[in-house]
Amino acid sequence: GAGVSQTPSNKVTEKGKYVELRCDPISGHTALYWYRQSLGQGPEFLIYFQGTGAADDSGLPNDRFFAVRPEGSVSTLKIQRTERGDSAVYLCASSLVAGRSYNEQFFGPGTRLTVL
Amino acid sequence: EDQVTQSPEALRLQEGESSSLNCSYTVSGLRGLFWYRQDPGKGPEFLFTLYSAGEEKEKERLKATLTKKESFLHITAPKPEDSATYLCAVQIGNYGGATNKLIFGTGTLLAVQP
Repeated sequence: GAGVSQTPSNKVTEKGKYVELRCDPISGHTALYWYRQSLGQGPEFLIYFQGTGAADDSGLPNDRFFAVRPEGSVSTLKIQRTERGDSAVYLCASSLVAGRSYNEQFFGPGTRLTVL
Repeated sequence: EDQVTQSPEALRLQEGESSSLNCSYTVSGLRGLFWYRQDPGKGPEFLFTLYSAGEEKEKERLKATLTKKESFLHITAPKPEDSATYLCAVQIGNYGGATNKLIFGTGTLLAVQP
């Protein structure tokens, strides 16, 4: 079946602009995660949705970052007033069952964000 | 503070030369330890989950093991196509589902030369 998809694959924007990154999880997966990966680093957790609600947003770096999942499927990560330090690969993952031991997270290909 | 450390940072092997990658962790309430493979320009690809000390899992030339403080990814007779970055991650949190976030190490970059 289809895996996690993310659009766009690349996004170049100017400092101060607003961007939206989209994630389509694997069909039937109730849990959705956003991570950010900088060059040479492992992914860093941003936010986790269980259904439509954000169950844990402790990784969002500041109030310029916001994410939604209105219908419990597709999610959008929104970044306001982008800064050069926001440049990174933004990864989305989904898992079948949350709240239990075995919930492997399957990742999408990522969106490479470059802020000039 | 919850922490995951991987070593070495980079490893170069000859084809057929077996070796091991290390992932040590200091966390409260480990729920699971995950290994992922990441190729350049792609998202991490799930390999294994380990849940309790003493557990082992195998897939082709890879074998993952877990103790109370660390995990090893053993690579037997590697081939050039095994070249990638291998990421280790731990999952913490309670079973009530308050969070399922993964905490990743920085990865080991493996290069297997023919």
